[in-house]
Amino acid sequence: DTGVSQDPRHKITKRGQNVTFRCDPISEHNRLYWYRQTLGQGPEFLTYFQNEAQLEKSRLLSDRFSAERPKGSFSTLEIQRTEQGDSAMYLCASSLVEPRANEQFFGPGTRLTVL
Amino acid sequence: GQSLEQPSEVTAVEGAIVQINCTYQTSGFYGLSWYQQHDGGAPTFLSYNALDGLEETGRFSSFLSRSDSYGYLLLQELQMKDSASYFCAVTNAGKSTFGDGTTLTVKP
Repeated sequence: DTGVSQDPRHKITKRGQNVTFRCDPISEHNRLYWYRQTLGQGPEFLTYFQNEAQLEKSRLLSDRFSAERPKGSFSTLEIQRTEQGDSAMYLCASSLVEPRANEQFFGPGTRLTVL
Repeated sequence: GQSLEQPSEVTAVEGAIVQINCTYQTSGFYGLSWYQQHDGGAPTFLSYNALDGLEETGRFSSFLSRSDSYGYLLLQELQMKDSASYFCAVTNAGKSTFGDGTTLTVKP
């Protein structure tokens, strides 16, 4: 296994458009996480899944954001009606469950630019 | 809610030892993790402390005091490649909250 992969690596879109990102975790990992990171900040938690169940979603996340992990393998993150403030690096990570959940493996990220 | 504080920048010379501190306030706590991130790269897991005390992994060690809500990352025998951002993160039932990171610059 080559680790966590994300697609696309870069996305430029116009304000108001919808975008979708994909994450493929390490195959044996039950947990999958989405984070957002802006320059000079740490990763900001968005949501996480255990298998196909979405167990927590950040209260900071607006209704424009939705994530799915339909078969407990890959996940998608969709942002509807993008805004300039959505410009950031979107990181996906995966892990085993407790007690190994703290060791998260991150993908290379998708850099979103909203014009 | 949860919040973490760590210094924004630290500078040290090659071969030296540096300590990066992290204090946290949480509503729930499973443990404190540390990640390294090079410019343009993804965060990479370094270490995790669930219990008080020191965990050693090669040149890196991490310490936790739950009673003081405090931890640190200790980097020994610094190398130029250690120049990066270092993040502490608290984990609570699957959700990790990260600090804003400490930029470490290692000078020759």
